Amino acid sequence: DQQVKQNSPSLSVQEGRISILNCDYTNSMFDYFLWYKKYPAEGPTFLISISSIKDKNEDGRFTVFLNKSAKHLSLHIVPSQPGDSAVYFCAASLYYNQGGKLIFGQGTELSVKP
Amino acid sequence: DVKVTQSSRYLVKRTGEKVFLECVQDMDHENMFWYRQDPGLGLRLIYFSYDVKMKEKGDIPEGYSVSREKKERFSLILESASTNQTSMYLCASSQTGHGYTFGSGTRLTVV
Repeated sequence: DQQVKQNSPSLSVQEGRISILNCDYTNSMFDYFLWYKKYPAEGPTFLISISSIKDKNEDGRFTVFLNKSAKHLSLHIVPSQPGDSAVYFCAASLYYNQGGKLIFGQGTELSVKP
Repeated sequence: DVKVTQSSRYLVKRTGEKVFLECVQDMDHENMFWYRQDPGLGLRLIYFSYDVKMKEKGDIPEGYSVSREKKERFSLILESASTNQTSMYLCASSQTGHGYTFGSGTRLTVV
């Protein structure tokens, strides 16, 4: 049972435009959500997070939106740059439970074309 | 700079071999995790540990075991490697309430 789903395996965007990556979850008890970015042959690196008490969190070019009623979150990258090309994983957790164990989605491979 | 270090970047092992993947963190984190990454499947949790000598099964523990004798070290053991265990293995650590720090990964090929 996939509790966190990223239904788009890949996304291609022109440089300078907006990239929108989507993620759905099924467990309404999740209370903390994160996005990780992964380059080939490297480990994932933390990008941005959001608590379930918020509906938006912004950090520079990156904004995460959370819609709890729809159990949906999205990552917006504006403007997109070629260096943003990577695989993006969303993850969810029960914040202080289970050591903050994270459940990951399948990943979306973003390609930003010059 | 804080680090999670995985002992090998690339490994090639034969079917039936016992394989040890080592992970060390220098952040005094309580929690450590082993995931494997496969195309289309994302990151799947194999085992995790909240404390020394403690371990919990993740979503896909079959064929694996772990050892955590010291707080900073978490080892993943493939008891008898099989070709379906060819994958990218990722170790991570965390302090409860915070996100993970990942290692660079070990690309294991079982032939």
